[in-house]
Amino acid sequence: DQQVKQNSPSLSVQEGRISILNCDYTNSMFDYFLWYKKYPAEGPTFLISISSIKDKNEDGRFTVFLNKSAKHLSLHIVPSQPGDSAVYFCAASEGYNNNDMRFGAGTRLTVKP
Amino acid sequence: EAQVTQNPRYLITVTGKKLTVTCSQNMNHEYMSWYRQDPGLGLRQIYYSMNVEVTDKGDVPEGYKVSRKEKRNFPLILESPSPNQTSLYFCASSLAGTPETQYFGPGTRLLVL
Repeated sequence: DQQVKQNSPSLSVQEGRISILNCDYTNSMFDYFLWYKKYPAEGPTFLISISSIKDKNEDGRFTVFLNKSAKHLSLHIVPSQPGDSAVYFCAASEGYNNNDMRFGAGTRLTVKP
Repeated sequence: EAQVTQNPRYLITVTGKKLTVTCSQNMNHEYMSWYRQDPGLGLRQIYYSMNVEVTDKGDVPEGYKVSRKEKRNFPLILESPSPNQTSLYFCASSLAGTPETQYFGPGTRLLVL
């Protein structure tokens, strides 16, 4: 039973435009959410997080939005750069910890020059 | 340089032949864990350890063993591998289970024939 879903396996955008990656979850007990970025032949790296007490968190070109009522979060990358091409994983947990963290299947983002 | 190392990076084996995947971190992190990544399923936690001699099951522990005799090492043991354990495995470490500090290793791709 996948509690965290990324319904778009892939996304292609033009350099300089906005990339929007989406994630849905089913467990209403999740209260901490993260995005990880993964390049080929490397492990995932932490990108940005948000707790359920917020609805937006921004870090440079990356912004995560959380809609608790819809159980939906999204990652916006503006402007997109070719170096952003990677697989992005959404993750969620009950509480601020790594235990039982649930990951989505990932979305492969390709940013074209 | 802060890193998590895994060995081997690639392994082909046969059903029933015991194997160990090593994991080592140089950041003095208390928390370590193992994940497997399968197509369409994202990362799923196998086992985690909150400190030396303390281990606990994650989401998919069946068929795996771990040990944490030293803080820096967290080997994953497959006593009798089966084809359904063919997967990409990631080791990770973090400070006391804080998600943002979680570093992942580069991954071990395992094929069980």
